[in-house]
Amino acid sequence: GAVVSQHPSRVICKSGTSVKIECRSLDFQATTMFWYRQFPKQSLMLMATSNEGSKATYEQGVEKDKFLINHASLTLSTLTVTSAHPEDSSFYICSTTAEIAKNIQYFGAGTRLSVL
Amino acid sequence: DAKTTQPTSMDCAEGRAANLPCNHSTISGNEYVYWYRQIHSQGPQYIIHGLKNNETNEMASLIITEDRKSSTLILPHATLRDTAVYYCIVTYGGSQGNLIFGKGTKLSVKP
Repeated sequence: GAVVSQHPSRVICKSGTSVKIECRSLDFQATTMFWYRQFPKQSLMLMATSNEGSKATYEQGVEKDKFLINHASLTLSTLTVTSAHPEDSSFYICSTTAEIAKNIQYFGAGTRLSVL
Repeated sequence: DAKTTQPTSMDCAEGRAANLPCNHSTISGNEYVYWYRQIHSQGPQYIIHGLKNNETNEMASLIITEDRKSSTLILPHATLRDTAVYYCIVTYGGSQGNLIFGKGTKLSVKP
């Protein structure tokens, strides 16, 4: 299946700092990428849909100024958590669909963010 | 998207078949049944999907009832590495929008 690389896998930061998470599609072009968040013992919740070359679409309740998404190329989308606080500590996961298999989502391995 | 109902947890002996049920009684005619799984602290992994007919791939089989109101994911020979949370998701096919993940079924494969 298609490979999605997510980096870093784990990050620990101080409160008030910003953290950037990268999501790359390694062997296909990804015009659309999705960003999910998963709190402990809970299921994945979609945060936003990232479209190459245009503004991301955020789900209700997700602050677009806090969670900045950039999808400048067909293989890279980034999520920046600005001024992170302890309540932002979570597991962040990206996914995408490949042109050859648009009806399947391929997920990255996830990024564990811990804000102290 | 139609809602799904799955048991919270299930156990399965290693080497035996794991049968994971899913109810989706409000599914509409053009919605597909998808199965993903999430091994602890990893991103979800696509398993299989289907519309009406039963499907089989190298990972699993999907059995969909004739009325399409329920389905069963079958892992024919479960291994310890199949321990994961399994999500049954009903959604439209084509270029997927967001997947709505429920609580899924925690499958524990035991030696």
